[in-house]
Amino acid sequence: DAKTTQPNSMESNEEEPVHLPCNHSTISGTDYIHWYRQLPSQGPEYVIHGLTSNVNNRMASLAIAEDRKSSTLILHRATLRDAAVYYCILSGNTPLVFGKGTRLSVIA
Amino acid sequence: DTGVSQDPRHKITKRGQNVTFRCDPISEHNRLYWYRQTLGQGPEFLTYFQNEAQLEKSRLLSDRFSAERPKGSFSTLEIQRTEQGDSAMYLCASSLIARKETQYFGPGTRLLVL
Repeated sequence: DAKTTQPNSMESNEEEPVHLPCNHSTISGTDYIHWYRQLPSQGPEYVIHGLTSNVNNRMASLAIAEDRKSSTLILHRATLRDAAVYYCILSGNTPLVFGKGTRLSVIA
Repeated sequence: DTGVSQDPRHKITKRGQNVTFRCDPISEHNRLYWYRQTLGQGPEFLTYFQNEAQLEKSRLLSDRFSAERPKGSFSTLEIQRTEQGDSAMYLCASSLIARKETQYFGPGTRLLVL
């Protein structure tokens, strides 16, 4: 399985942008980059995914490096409700492989 | 729009007992997944179904674990002769058959084996 590397934890002030990095140097050409997040005591929640181009949705933006070996999840204005563990996952045609993710703390 | 539901949400059992969990996926989703999550770790894949066929099992799924999806709709996960090491959150997810495979997760069943 293709692996991803994320920082264990990050901290952000409320209403400021947050950039969550992910390295995936062994990504294959057909792997999608998915981001999920898990709020306390809940199941994971889909955030965004992309293949090659940058993507935007109502929750976040995904910036993908040109060589696809890294990506960044961007939360434009962090709120207290964004405090969660964020997982960067590569998926081709296999079940999702979660790492430990990045625990994001948001300070009021 | 109803999401993925799981029942029960919490289960406490004594070592050696059998437990069964149920998952109801999003109705039009063909694929159904089971994951296990222990404290401080990300979810770990256990098994998945495409319609009623069980297509893949993780090596984590010992002989004491069995999963079914008899009519391609809801699924059950049974653990026989539970052990304390089985204490975890058991998560169910569903998806359409698609390359990008976006999965929608239920709230999980938290199992505590005493």
